[in-house]
Amino acid sequence: GESVGLHLPTLSVQEGDNSIINCAYSNSASDYFIWYKQESGKGPQFIIDIRSNMDKRQGQRVTVLLNKTVKHLSLQIAATQPGDSAVYFCAETWGGTALIFGKGTTLSVSS
Amino acid sequence: EAQVTQNPRYLITVTGKKLTVTCSQNMNHEYMSWYRQDPGLGLRQIYYSMNVEVTDKGDVPEGYKVSRKEKRNFPLILESPSPNQTSLYFCASSPWDRGHNQPQHFGDGTRLSIL
Repeated sequence: GESVGLHLPTLSVQEGDNSIINCAYSNSASDYFIWYKQESGKGPQFIIDIRSNMDKRQGQRVTVLLNKTVKHLSLQIAATQPGDSAVYFCAETWGGTALIFGKGTTLSVSS
Repeated sequence: EAQVTQNPRYLITVTGKKLTVTCSQNMNHEYMSWYRQDPGLGLRQIYYSMNVEVTDKGDVPEGYKVSRKEKRNFPLILESPSPNQTSLYFCASSPWDRGHNQPQHFGDGTRLSIL
């Protein structure tokens, strides 16, 4: 689920800015976390994942940070582009069975 | 091309008329799952399957059935659809290796309207 104060339903940034999208996860037993991007009319698309034995993982222009102490996950997008505009979901799972999604953050990038 | 294919993409039907949404994946994935997406509620898992003939309930299984007779296919069955099942449905698949989770690949969705 999402924690009030950490989760913003919408985020508006200028092209070229860095974006940070936050997520509070619900289960301290969760051992795998994923960020998905969903564009209008399409299914969620995998961006990056992180396992519970790590606290940071970097991809191309994206970084995921995991803070297990406060059950917090963040997605950082460097040099945000108009094509990054979408809804971003965090998801958690434990034991590899159920995948629990957060409510999502709509990122709008203006040029 | 690796993909998850759902059919139909759009369907308008009436209460009580049985329907099936098909899902097929060509990646030889063991794990398959169905989700529904509703405004304000996000994505919720309906059913999942960890391999052929193995299925389990997710968060919102009421009113749905699934089957997994073949590895590549995971149809979602609404025996007697009701208006509260109007939603956007997604099928997903991933490899399954106990203790080593993998990201799920999603289809492009099926928009169901039950009148």
